[in-house]
Amino acid sequence: GNSVTQMEGPVTLSEEAFLTINCTYTATGYPSLFWYVQYPGEGLQLLLKATKADDKGSNKGFEATYRKETTSFHLEKGSVQVSDSAVYFCAEGGGYQKVTFGTGTKLQVIP
Amino acid sequence: DSGVTQTPKHLITATGQRVTLRCSPRSGDLSVYWYQQSLDQGLQFLIQYYNGEERAKGNILERFSAQQFPDLHSELNLSSLELGDSALYFCASSVVASAGTGELFFGEGSRLTVL
Repeated sequence: GNSVTQMEGPVTLSEEAFLTINCTYTATGYPSLFWYVQYPGEGLQLLLKATKADDKGSNKGFEATYRKETTSFHLEKGSVQVSDSAVYFCAEGGGYQKVTFGTGTKLQVIP
Repeated sequence: DSGVTQTPKHLITATGQRVTLRCSPRSGDLSVYWYQQSLDQGLQFLIQYYNGEERAKGNILERFSAQQFPDLHSELNLSSLELGDSALYFCASSVVASAGTGELFFGEGSRLTVL
């Protein structure tokens, strides 16, 4: 079956540092790609998405570009804040029925 | 607030017991998905219902079952519970039948502890 691989955490950064969380997928074709975020004590919520190759999803200063040639969808943010501390999940919607999630990367931003 | 409601938020029970988790989807959403989140296995898809019918099945154990009722709420039944069933169970909903093309809206989860 399809799988999504993302870098293991936890990732600890100082405030205003640059963030990259790597994500690769195995689905063939052109799946939709997502980044979800889970804040402490809450459910997952959609952060951004891209539905076709070379699309860039963006939200709240976060960006990710759909790279078909490398089957990747890396999450980036130029300057993280303490409030960005959360668990980030990469996901692909390659199957008609379901979304496949990565294992999540915990981000901790320290002042 | 995602609009998806899950109850109970926390549940502690013993091995061998049976529990029922409930989910009310967002108003207007026809699809309901159940996911299991454990520390070592990430977020695992269990099952999906669309407008009352089972649409897709993932890594759901035979001891687990689910259904979606005419009012679109869903219940996940877990029986003969084992220690390894301890996890956070999420319900998500979407307006479309195909999860891959749309956004999933998650509830806050039900934390099950089996002692």
